[in-house]
Amino acid sequence: DAGVIQSPRHEVTEMGQEVTLRCKPISGHNSLFWYRQTMMRGLELLIYFNNNVPIDDSGMPEDRFSAKMPNASFSTLKIQPSEPRDSAVYFCASSLSTTEAFFGQGTRLTVV
Amino acid sequence: SQKIEQNSEALNIQEGKTATLTCNYTNYSPAYLQWYRQDPGRGPVFLLLIRENEKEKRKERLKVTFDTTLKQSLFHITASQPADSATYLCALPNTGFQKLVFGTGTRLLVSP
Repeated sequence: DAGVIQSPRHEVTEMGQEVTLRCKPISGHNSLFWYRQTMMRGLELLIYFNNNVPIDDSGMPEDRFSAKMPNASFSTLKIQPSEPRDSAVYFCASSLSTTEAFFGQGTRLTVV
Repeated sequence: SQKIEQNSEALNIQEGKTATLTCNYTNYSPAYLQWYRQDPGRGPVFLLLIRENEKEKRKERLKVTFDTTLKQSLFHITASQPADSATYLCALPNTGFQKLVFGTGTRLLVSP
């Protein structure tokens, strides 16, 4: 397995634009997590899916953020409209029953 | 509120010495604790998991201890090498075991 695959690796966008980050988890994993990492706040959990169902989205900062998991092999994190304070590295991770988490390479988002 | 604390200052040691990193937590009763390694520009990589009924766990040059009374885990790297230089993060499941919450990490620098 190629591991967790995220795209794009880098995204630069203007304030107010819509941004969509994509994730392909490891086949067979039933849990998927979206994290955001910044120097100031470290690695923050945004949302957690189990068997494609959102279980906990309490970490999503505001309504501008939304996440979907239409099937077991794909998830998206969308920011609309984007703001400069959204600039961060966004990680997707998957696991089998919330034990060891496997992370993707991350998407570095810059909003100017 | 639940809190995971790791030393935010970088730890500088000489090659060959033992590095010891600390993870303290409050308002948690975790069934297990995990340690991850993160290199610049990459996602965290799982290293070790220790359960609440285990005092100590070893893997090659790594040793982790878990003291549920002190609410602390220690992470040791023996015979450290420059290649061990990275940021090390501890992670705990939340009360419902559904979310994996990370500490802010400690950067380790091993000098030749």
